Amino acid sequence: QVQLQESGPGLVKPSETLSLTCTVSGGSINSHYWSWIRQPPGKGLEWIGNVFYSGSTNYNPSLESRVTISVDTSKKQFSLRLTSVTAADTAVYYCARGPDLEWFPADNNWFDPWGQGTLVTVSS
Amino acid sequence: EIVLTQSPGTLSLSPGERATLSCRASQSIRSRYLAWYQQKPHQAPRLLIYGASSRAPDIPDRFSGSGSGTDFTLTINRLDPEDSAVYYCQQYGRSPCTFGQGTKLEIK
Repeated sequence: QVQLQESGPGLVKPSETLSLTCTVSGGSINSHYWSWIRQPPGKGLEWIGNVFYSGSTNYNPSLESRVTISVDTSKKQFSLRLTSVTAADTAVYYCARGPDLEWFPADNNWFDPWGQGTLVTVSS
Repeated sequence: EIVLTQSPGTLSLSPGERATLSCRASQSIRSRYLAWYQQKPHQAPRLLIYGASSRAPDIPDRFSGSGSGTDFTLTINRLDPEDSAVYYCQQYGRSPCTFGQGTKLEIK
């Protein structure tokens, strides 16, 4: 079955750029949107944005000015860049797969499966 | 954006009982575009329900979802201690998709 694995630095300095990569194994990267979602320690979930295998993207307006999500289909990876980070960006970052758009309308946006998550701390 | 309010904040029940979790939206969610997730400590969320009432693959039929418009419910029958977790609802009817703040279910 499909598995997702996040990778990247666990510590980022304030004002710098957070960069994470999600590697997809056991399935195709085609016909799905691929999302980033974060969860500050002890708090709820926030959708950051997604990318289609074609490269088209959608972002949460609350983060849009600082976020870039991209995809590399040859490596079966997609990536997150978040610029100008502050302590408020400290969170567990998850990557997740959207539904198969060969079976569901393109506006469907639930998440299954998720990666295990990676904690990113913003601190000097 | 659509705000989802989940209630109760914490629910304490015994094994074998039924749990009823509520998710209320600040505006109507089109096409019943609502999902439910289970999150256990130090784990990623797991999809339980999508489309308000469709069970995800391999989810036991003890879990069921219902509702439409602004009011949705997750029902868990015959509670098992392994059902102890935080449960989140998520709407994807309007972008950005948003999550509720969660209901913590304790099985004692």
